[in-house]
Amino acid sequence: DAGVIQSPRHEVTEMGQEVTLRCKPISGHNSLFWYRQTMMRGLELLIYFNNNVPIDDSGMPEDRFSAKMPNASFSTLKIQPSEPRDSAVYFCASSTRTGANYEQYFGPGTRLTVT
Amino acid sequence: GENVEQHPSTLSVQEGDSAVIKCTYSDSASNYFPWYKQELGKRPQLIIDIRSNVGEKKDQRIAVTLNKTAKHFSLHITETQPEDSAVYFCAASRSGALNFGKGTSLLVTP
Repeated sequence: DAGVIQSPRHEVTEMGQEVTLRCKPISGHNSLFWYRQTMMRGLELLIYFNNNVPIDDSGMPEDRFSAKMPNASFSTLKIQPSEPRDSAVYFCASSTRTGANYEQYFGPGTRLTVT
Repeated sequence: GENVEQHPSTLSVQEGDSAVIKCTYSDSASNYFPWYKQELGKRPQLIIDIRSNVGEKKDQRIAVTLNKTAKHFSLHITETQPEDSAVYFCAASRSGALNFGKGTSLLVTP
């Protein structure tokens, strides 16, 4: 298995531009999570989906952030318009939550820099 | 919501010594407590986890203990090696989503 796939790996954009981050979970996993990591705030949950349905988006910073999961194998996190304070590493993770297995597998992350 | 506190923020030990990292959580309904290791520039990776119906779990040099009454759990690494140097995160969960502590930067010096 290729593991969780994220693209792009690095993104540099100017303030005000739209940014779209992409994630492909591990095949067969039914839960998908978006996290953001910064030095100041650590690892924060933004939103998570179970069976493609958003369950908890209370971590989404504001209306500039939106996430979708149109099918079991793809999710996007969009920031519009982007701001310098959005600069961070964005991780996508997936899990099966079958039986006693709750392990979340993280993707390699997307390093976003907004100038 | 859940609040996870982690201490210390940095820890330096000599090779062969033990390292202990402690976390507390606020939500008594949390029932899953994983520990992740993150090397510089890499993704977090699970090293061990424990559920609320278990008090202790061990995997080779790594062990985790959980005290539900006090709402704290700890990671113990014995016989530390330089390759154990990394940032370690604890987390707590009641519904699948993880609430992370701020991390502990562990340095193991030869």
